[in-house]
This record gives sequence, C-alpha cells and structure tokens, in this order.
Amino acid sequence: ETGVTQSPTHLIKTRGQQVTLRCSSQSGHNTVSWYQQALGQGPQFIFQYYREEENGRGNFPPRFSGLQFPNYSSELNVNALELDDSALYLCASSSETNEKLFFGSGTQLSVL
Amino acid sequence: GENVEQHPSTLSVQEGDSAVIKCTYSDSASNYFPWYKQELGKRPQLIIDIRSNVGEKKDQRIAVTLNKTAKHFSLHITETQPEDSAVYFCAASIWGGGNKLTFGTGTQLKVEL
Repeated sequence: ETGVTQSPTHLIKTRGQQVTLRCSSQSGHNTVSWYQQALGQGPQFIFQYYREEENGRGNFPPRFSGLQFPNYSSELNVNALELDDSALYLCASSSETNEKLFFGSGTQLSVL
Repeated sequence: GENVEQHPSTLSVQEGDSAVIKCTYSDSASNYFPWYKQELGKRPQLIIDIRSNVGEKKDQRIAVTLNKTAKHFSLHITETQPEDSAVYFCAASIWGGGNKLTFGTGTQLKVEL
C-alpha cells in the first residue's frame, strides 16, 4: 500500500508569483483534502476534491485553487503569493467508505 | 462554523507519568473527534479517534473521552515515554460529510527522563 506523497518538499517563491503543489493519494483513496499549517498552529482546511470536483472549501480566497485528476491525484495552485502564504501545505487522502484522513509529509512553502 | 479550542499549549511530564490534553468544540453537529500526533518535521499521524455515539475509547496507553453535553473531549496518555514527545492536535468534524477537520492549536508534549 502506497501512502500519500507530496511534491516538492520545499519551495521558495517571491511575493506575487504563482505556485503549484502536487499530491498523490494513498492507494484506494478517491478523496483529497488540502490544509495549510502556519508555524505553531493547527492545520486549516483549504478545500477538498472528490470525483474531480471541489467538495467543500474553507475560508481561503479564490487565488487558492485546485484540481483533481482521474487517478485521484491533486494539485493546489496559489496565485499572487503573499508573505502570509508561507506555511506547510498538507495533503490528506481518504475514501468514501472510510473517511479517516491520512496525511502526506507536506510541502514547506516560503514566500520572500 | 466549528471552533476547536485546545489546552494546554505546552505540557511537560516525567517519564512514566500520565498526560491529559483537553479540547472543546462549538458545533453540536460535529460527531467525529480524531487526535493526531506530529513529530518535528513529519506528517500528522492519526493516533486515536472517537465518534459521538461512544463515550470512551482506549488503545493500549492512549485513551480518549468525550462529553457531548459539555462539548469537550480529552486525550489521556498513561505511562508516558520519551517517544511520546511531539505536538498533539485534536480535531472535530462531521463524519459522513467528507470529514473536513477543524483542528485545535496543538499541545507540545515533552516527556522528560
């Protein structure tokens, strides 16, 4: 069984740039959720993808967008990066029959 | 929306002692309460969870209790070991609704020798 994998592990961008983060779900999982974890805080729900459609969104602006592909992998895109976007971005996968979330190791994004 | 409060923010115990972390939630519709352990630089790992139709659940040295009326739940770790040192997060969600978790702010547990 393959766990949740994310790439890249670290990324440095400058303010105003755009970034794409990638996530491969655990084998057998068809739902992907994205979370933002600022330093010293708990993860915050960004959005969830199920069957290639957005299935719920947290309190994040539209410049945060995503995709899910037929193989259930997912991308998180952030446009017009701001300094406050610096955080650990976590992807979690789950299935319809068991909604327990299993997290990847995250992508550490630094915006300078 | 849901709001989860967690305390204490830091907890230091001696090896072999017990540790208790407490959380409260605001949304009475929440019915699923997991606990995650996150070691420095690593992914959050699910260590135990409880549904609202159960008041207590135990797994070896770890137990979780839930008081639906008071909207609070707690993590209990007995016979703590140095490898228990990590940040622990509680969370709440609606099971069956995609399990979109609202997390607490975390508790840094340090187990001292």
